Amino acid sequence: KQEVTQIPAALSVPEGENLVLNCSFTDSAIYNLQWFRQDPGKGLTSLLLIQSSQREQTSGRLNASLDKSSGRSTLYIAASQPGDSATYLCAASKAAGNKLTFGGGTRVLVKP
Amino acid sequence: GAVVSQHPSRVICKSGTSVKIECRSLDFQATTMFWYRQFPKQSLMLMATSNEGSKATYEQGVEKDKFLINHASLTLSTLTVTSAHPEDSSFYICSAIQTGSVFEQYFGPGTRLTVT
Repeated sequence: KQEVTQIPAALSVPEGENLVLNCSFTDSAIYNLQWFRQDPGKGLTSLLLIQSSQREQTSGRLNASLDKSSGRSTLYIAASQPGDSATYLCAASKAAGNKLTFGGGTRVLVKP
Repeated sequence: GAVVSQHPSRVICKSGTSVKIECRSLDFQATTMFWYRQFPKQSLMLMATSNEGSKATYEQGVEKDKFLINHASLTLSTLTVTSAHPEDSSFYICSAIQTGSVFEQYFGPGTRLTVT
């Protein structure tokens, strides 16, 4: 059974600092891995999706890497802004069209 | 593109009543939809997988007779919480898969259910 872990559970940084969010998974046989952002009381916004054959994906200030062999993915957010404050969730899918297994999330606070 | 909506966004109901939550894919067809539940300060937990035209597949520990799922069309899945109790109060989120090369899941905005 896949288990996804995110450490740390919470993170506070000053504005402008780079953010590094970690995600680990126990079963390396994944189909894809997604990173999401969730604001309080809201649904999920998809940030990046990495297919199992890829090693990284980039979108603006966001970069996500994937290392299947070590069961890890990392989300980098460059030059953080107060608007980046949110909970970030990673989730792994075992097969095409399959359910996602979520990590516990990392709650990020970027202080002005 | 790839927008998923949920209705209602918030609902308050009395204990013992039933409430229906709708999940719609607005601009794509979704053969498969998923229903998740999220308790405060916790992550999402999958409740069931909803497949168009067939019975839903429930995760272990989820009562199928209490959480009725119907996926009658390629753009609509409904979750009915029957005989709701205060412990059913939660944030319910659906997602839909847009078929294609990456099978990305798109999430609805969630429904906050409060049972009094």
